[in-house]
Amino acid sequence: GEDVEQSLFLSVREGDSSVINCTYTDSSSTYLYWYKQEPGAGLQLLTYIFSNMDMKQDQRLTVLLNKKDKHLSLRIADTQTGDSAIYFCAESSGYSSASKIIFGSGTRLSIRP
Amino acid sequence: GAVVSQHPSRVICKSGTSVKIECRSLDFQATTMFWYRQFPKQSLMLMATSNEGSKATYEQGVEKDKFLINHASLTLSTLTVTSAHPEDSSFYICSAPSDRSQETQYFGPGTRLLVL
Repeated sequence: GEDVEQSLFLSVREGDSSVINCTYTDSSSTYLYWYKQEPGAGLQLLTYIFSNMDMKQDQRLTVLLNKKDKHLSLRIADTQTGDSAIYFCAESSGYSSASKIIFGSGTRLSIRP
Repeated sequence: GAVVSQHPSRVICKSGTSVKIECRSLDFQATTMFWYRQFPKQSLMLMATSNEGSKATYEQGVEKDKFLINHASLTLSTLTVTSAHPEDSSFYICSAPSDRSQETQYFGPGTRLLVL
């Protein structure tokens, strides 16, 4: 079945860039997502990329997709304390929002002063 | 504002009782909704796809008699945890496909269930 994997932890210094990596196995993935979850809260969609794109930039966020290697990354520029959260990589192989989404294990990002 | 709500946000129950969790789409209709379960410090596991007017589709390993799903209207899906046990304690999250974007889903705020 589909599988999405991420490293569990990442620690960065405030002001540095954070790069969170993700690999997935489903070669028919159409959309790849990054979600943010703060403690005790629900999921917030940060950004997503369609599988025919290599890169997407949105303010401090840059998503890179290497479809050949099935590798997705999220770069957060100028990381702030408010960026502390768990970041989930996720994928969907459908073409509509009614397709199921498979999540990775989440990467806990901590910021040190 | 929130487009998908869940009720209750927290619930504590005794072992052996049943608990119902509601997921509502606000101001839009959802013929499909999804139910996820999240264990502490772990990822979201898709439990089932709730289909309005028909039976839910369960993921492998999820007991359909244990987790009853009813999608009785276009804005409401319910998850009932029957005969709850401590191992059912978890964070349950629902989602509904966006009516404005074909790429995304709206996630509810989650329901934290604690079974004593």
